[in-house]
Amino acid sequence: NAGVTQTPKFQVLKTGQSMTLQCAQDMNHNSMYWYRQDPGMGLRLIYYSASEGTTDKGEVPNGYNVSRLNKREFSLRLESAAPSQTSVYFCASRERGEGTQYFGPGTRLTVL
Amino acid sequence: GENVEQHPSTLSVQEGDSAVIKCTYSDSASNYFPWYKQELGKGPQLIIDIRSNVGEKKDQRIAVTLNKTAKHFSLHITETQPEDSAVYFCAASNSNYQLIWGAGTKLIIKP
Repeated sequence: NAGVTQTPKFQVLKTGQSMTLQCAQDMNHNSMYWYRQDPGMGLRLIYYSASEGTTDKGEVPNGYNVSRLNKREFSLRLESAAPSQTSVYFCASRERGEGTQYFGPGTRLTVL
Repeated sequence: GENVEQHPSTLSVQEGDSAVIKCTYSDSASNYFPWYKQELGKGPQLIIDIRSNVGEKKDQRIAVTLNKTAKHFSLHITETQPEDSAVYFCAASNSNYQLIWGAGTKLIIKP
């Protein structure tokens, strides 16, 4: 079991460029999440998918879109990157409801 | 809105001593309180959690206590070891099962 995998590990973008962060889990979990982590601010929820076919906004959704491609995959898209989106992005999954969230290794994104 | 405050932001303790990290939460409906450990360059990993029907939970050197009346919960690590050095996050669930996270505590174990 690979758990939660994320690609790429590192990315540098110029302002205005677009990109998609990929996430996949092999634990047959229903719920998936995208967070961003900034120094001194903990983890902030961008979007989540409680189950296949549904997505909902989290605390900081502006500038992002998501797609729950199937039960395994949940992607995060930046349509027009801005320097304020420089951050470390984590994908996580959970079976359902409350319980352990399993995190991927993260994507470190820099927007110049 | 929903909020979780975590203190201290940095904690330095001598190896073998105990470490305590404290969190307070604002949503009285929260009933699930996990603690995660994040090592450098990795994603957070659950180390212990507690539900609102329990006041204390232990797992070897780690314990968590919960005071629902005061809306605070704490992580206790005894007999600290070098491998305990990491960033620790507390969180509290909201009514949608989402987690509201504290800002993190960097724990430094001095040899």
